[in-house]
Amino acid sequence: SQTIHQWPATLVQPVGSPLSLECTVEGTSNPNLYWYRQAAGRGLQLLFYSVGIGQISSEVPQNLSASRPQDRQFILSSKKLLLSDSGFYLCAWRRQGASETQYFGPGTRLLVL
Amino acid sequence: DQQVKQNSPSLSVQEGRISILNCDYTNSMFDYFLWYKKYPAEGPTFLISISSIKDKNEDGRFTVFLNKSAKHLSLHIVPSQPGDSAVYFCAASQRANDMRFGAGTRLTVKP
Repeated sequence: SQTIHQWPATLVQPVGSPLSLECTVEGTSNPNLYWYRQAAGRGLQLLFYSVGIGQISSEVPQNLSASRPQDRQFILSSKKLLLSDSGFYLCAWRRQGASETQYFGPGTRLLVL
Repeated sequence: DQQVKQNSPSLSVQEGRISILNCDYTNSMFDYFLWYKKYPAEGPTFLISISSIKDKNEDGRFTVFLNKSAKHLSLHIVPSQPGDSAVYFCAASQRANDMRFGAGTRLTVKP
């Protein structure tokens, strides 16, 4: 069966500090991978998606970036965090060529102070 | 822009009764619709989906109804249980890698 991991679970960072959130998927090959953010009281906003190693599509321009160094690894980064980057970050995967259902990881709660 | 809307931020029902969660969308090109359930501090869990060629899909206590002419989607939970208490997100997609989510509805099922 497939499993998706995210870490850390919780992170408190000062404004201006860098960020690195990691997501890995087990039990599948060549998945589509996604980063979402849920701000307080809001729905899920798609930030980035990737259909393969080194292939990143950005949905929302901002100070975040994503990378996919390995088939089942997806990283969300920032060089300098803003207060508005606080939120709940979710990684998701989808099997390529299958239904459009995405499966989510446990999430990382980020608080920028 | 909010292409998927869940206008009720919260819903409270009695255990054993029916819960009806509603969702409206504006993009007629959406062809795949999903419901996710989310507990606090956890990722959303896929619940049920429906493609635009159907108007109903049932899975146990959960049934999703799609009214394309009204651009309306609903999730029925019968009978409701206290463990169903969570935030429910509606999502819609018109092509792979482009899924839009509603803001969520918090369901509380009272014992």
